[in-house]
Amino acid sequence: ELKVEQNPLFLSMQEGKNYTIYCNYSTTSDRLYWYRQDPGKSLESLFVLLSNGAVKQEGRLMASLDTKARLSTLHITAAVHDLSATYFCAVDIVSVQKLVFGQGTRLTINP
Amino acid sequence: DAGITQSPRHKVTETGTPVTLRCHQTENHRYMYWYRQDPGHGLRLIHYSYGVKDTDKGEVSDGYSVSRSKTEDFLLTLESATSSQTSVYFCATSLQVSSYEQYFGPGTRLTVT
Repeated sequence: ELKVEQNPLFLSMQEGKNYTIYCNYSTTSDRLYWYRQDPGKSLESLFVLLSNGAVKQEGRLMASLDTKARLSTLHITAAVHDLSATYFCAVDIVSVQKLVFGQGTRLTINP
Repeated sequence: DAGITQSPRHKVTETGTPVTLRCHQTENHRYMYWYRQDPGHGLRLIHYSYGVKDTDKGEVSDGYSVSRSKTEDFLLTLESATSSQTSVYFCATSLQVSSYEQYFGPGTRLTVT
């Protein structure tokens, strides 16, 4: 059974600081997805990482994938309040065409 | 944006009544999914569909059934609602050509009293 674990689950940080959210998964998969969810809203796709060593960046967020370590990271650079949200990673199971989601990391950025 | 709508967006119902939630998509995506989201549990898959009339169970399917008679519509039915089914329900779709990226609908907040 594929398990996806994120840490930390809760993160409170100050504006201007850097931090990293980690996503570990338990079985082989080459593809990982990051989503953002604002309070009371739906999930929005942030990044799709399709191979080992993939790195994608958008603004102050950068995601990377190491399939050998079964690890993805979401790095936040010089955080701003607008990045406050819950971030989910998800890994796909090719044989059954579905995603398994991590528990989510609730990120709060304080002015 | 995959053009996904859900109806109703909010519903309050009584224990024991049947409830049907609808997901409608305009992107002709083959795969559709129903999730529930509860505090402390993240997103849990209820049922999914890989084509018209083709469905399968997810990890929390007890008490739920689904139907897909057209590509664009995926219905989730609670046969006899219970308080434990109070949750936010999300529909998602996926094209699954180069990846399994899923696109999510706006969600339905269901309260069972």
